[in-house]
Formats: sequence, C-alpha cells, structure tokens
Amino acid sequence: AQKVTQAQTEISVVEKEDVTLDCVYETRDTTYYLFWYKQPPSGELVFLIRRNSFDEQNEISGRYSWNFQKSTSSFNFTITASQVVDSAVYFCALIWSGGSNYKLTFGKGTLLTVNP
Amino acid sequence: DAMVIQNPRYQVTQFGKPVTLSCSQTLNHNVMYWYQQKSSQAPKLLFHYYDKDFNNEADTPDNFQSRRPNTSFCFLDIRSPGLGDAAMYLCATRGDSDYNEQFFGPGTRLTVL
Repeated sequence: AQKVTQAQTEISVVEKEDVTLDCVYETRDTTYYLFWYKQPPSGELVFLIRRNSFDEQNEISGRYSWNFQKSTSSFNFTITASQVVDSAVYFCALIWSGGSNYKLTFGKGTLLTVNP
Repeated sequence: DAMVIQNPRYQVTQFGKPVTLSCSQTLNHNVMYWYQQKSSQAPKLLFHYYDKDFNNEADTPDNFQSRRPNTSFCFLDIRSPGLGDAAMYLCATRGDSDYNEQFFGPGTRLTVL
C-alpha cells in the first residue's frame, strides 16, 4: 500500500530562520510522482513542485529547495530565510502508477508558523 | 488567468436541506475532482470525472452526488446534509497526463446548522 508520512504536525520558527519539512513515503511501485502543496489560511491548495521517481536531482526555486532521496524514501522541503507569508499547512503527496485512477495520496500535513 | 473557481466561498445550510456547490475551470482540463477537507486533516477524495466518466470513491456516502454538464463545470450535491458534513469542499482539475499536478480552487466552506 502507498502511504505518505509527515511526522511533524506543527513547526514554529522565527522569521529568517531556515526550516525543513520532512516527508517519507511508501510505495511498491517503481514509477511514482511526489508533490508538495501549500495551503495558506485562505484555504486554497497551491501546487509547489512535482518530482518523478526517476529524477533524484535536488531542486531549488528561490527560497525553496527540495531534497529527494530514494534510498531513504524521503522528499524533504526546506525554506531558507523564512518569512511570515510562508505560514501555512504544507502537504506532501504521492501518485503511483499501480493505484486506481492515479489518486493523490496526501500526508497529514505540517502546520508551519513563522513568527515575526 | 486560467483558474479554478468555486462558488460560493461560504455556504450555510440547515440540517437536511439540500445544497449544491459549484466549480468551474478555464484550464480546459478533462479531469475534475471533488475533495472534502475537515479541520486539521488532509483532503479526502470524494469522486472525480475523467471527461464524462464518473468515478466514485468506495467510501463516499450516497448522500453526495455530482454532475458534470460540460468540460468547464462540475457540481457537488449534498442531498441531506448532516452536521458531520460541515467541512471545506475543494474542487481540483488536472490535465491529460495521469501524473500531472492538480490545480485547486479556493474551496467552499460549508456550515450545517
């Protein structure tokens, strides 16, 4: 069965600190995709990144970076120099080819609070 | 800008009174999803359409129905809302590739009195 675990329920940091959100996944399939979404207090889920199982290159986008390690089944997300606007719930999610209808399997989310 | 629109953003209904939530998209995506999200939980998939093909999740209550009259619009009907149906309802769309990201609307927060 496929599963996404975000062990950190809540994280609180002070502005300008770096913060890493952990994501560990389980799947038996060799072809799968991993995603990160941001859900600010307004409620809309905002797509951040998609990574396929064959591409282990890390990615950087501005203050955001992602570390994908198949050896540890992890896809961690780091925010550098955090800002108050980064406060949100962040969801890690997985799609695998063996599942029906290619559904997104979400982790339970991590609530990030960035204090001024 | 192409987007996913949900109306209304906030909906209040009475226990047992049918309610319809709407979703429209300008992305021309052929897949549309409805999710239910309760407080401090991940979104839970209710059903989705692949074009006109309807796919219901096994644990979606019969109380929830959906209609998709055309590519752009999709509706969620709750026939007899209970207090437990109070939640955020999120609509999402996806392009052709099964591995594409889903694009979400802003959601409709449903309150049941």
